[in-house]
Amino acid sequence: NAGVTQTPKFQVLKTGQSMTLQCAQDMNHNSMYWYRQDPGMGLRLIYYSASEGTTDKGEVPNGYNVSRLNKREFSLRLESAAPSQTSVYFCASRRWGPDTQYFGPGTRLTVL
Amino acid sequence: QQQVKQSPQSLIVQKGGISIINCAYENTAFDYFPWYQQFPGKGPALLIAIRPDVSEKKEGRFTISFNKSAKQFSLHIMDSQPGDSATYFCAAASGGSNYKLTFGKGTLLTVNP
Repeated sequence: NAGVTQTPKFQVLKTGQSMTLQCAQDMNHNSMYWYRQDPGMGLRLIYYSASEGTTDKGEVPNGYNVSRLNKREFSLRLESAAPSQTSVYFCASRRWGPDTQYFGPGTRLTVL
Repeated sequence: QQQVKQSPQSLIVQKGGISIINCAYENTAFDYFPWYQQFPGKGPALLIAIRPDVSEKKEGRFTISFNKSAKQFSLHIMDSQPGDSATYFCAAASGGSNYKLTFGKGTLLTVNP
């Protein structure tokens, strides 16, 4: 049982490049989330998927798109990366009922 | 609009002391208040959580105190240990199946030996 896994762990992009961050969970959870963490800003919600087939914007969605590929997988795409998107990105999942969110280990992204 | 305000930003405590971190919220619809602990290079992990129908919850050395009328809650770490050195985030949530967490900005706790 790996919990929540994220790939890659580290990534460096140039301004304007695109990339997809991958997230998968093996806990049969219904809901999945993408956050970004910046120094002094806490964790801010980018997008979430309450259940398979649905996605909704969070607090800071601009510049990002998401895909809930199936119940296990939830990807985050940067179409045209900007230096302001330099951050650590965390994926999380939750099973309905218990409210605990389980976080992945994070992806550290640098945009030059 | 910052819906969950956390203080202090950083805290230094001696081993064996009590660490106290405070949070205040604005949205009265919040009905779940967790605390997360994060070590460097790791994802946050749930430490302890409370619902507004109780005023206190204790798990080992960690206690949440909750004041519904003041819209405040706090984390107390008794007998603080160097291994408790981490960043702590309070959070609040509501929304049933559309549930999502709103986090405070975090407190960096350092426990000196």
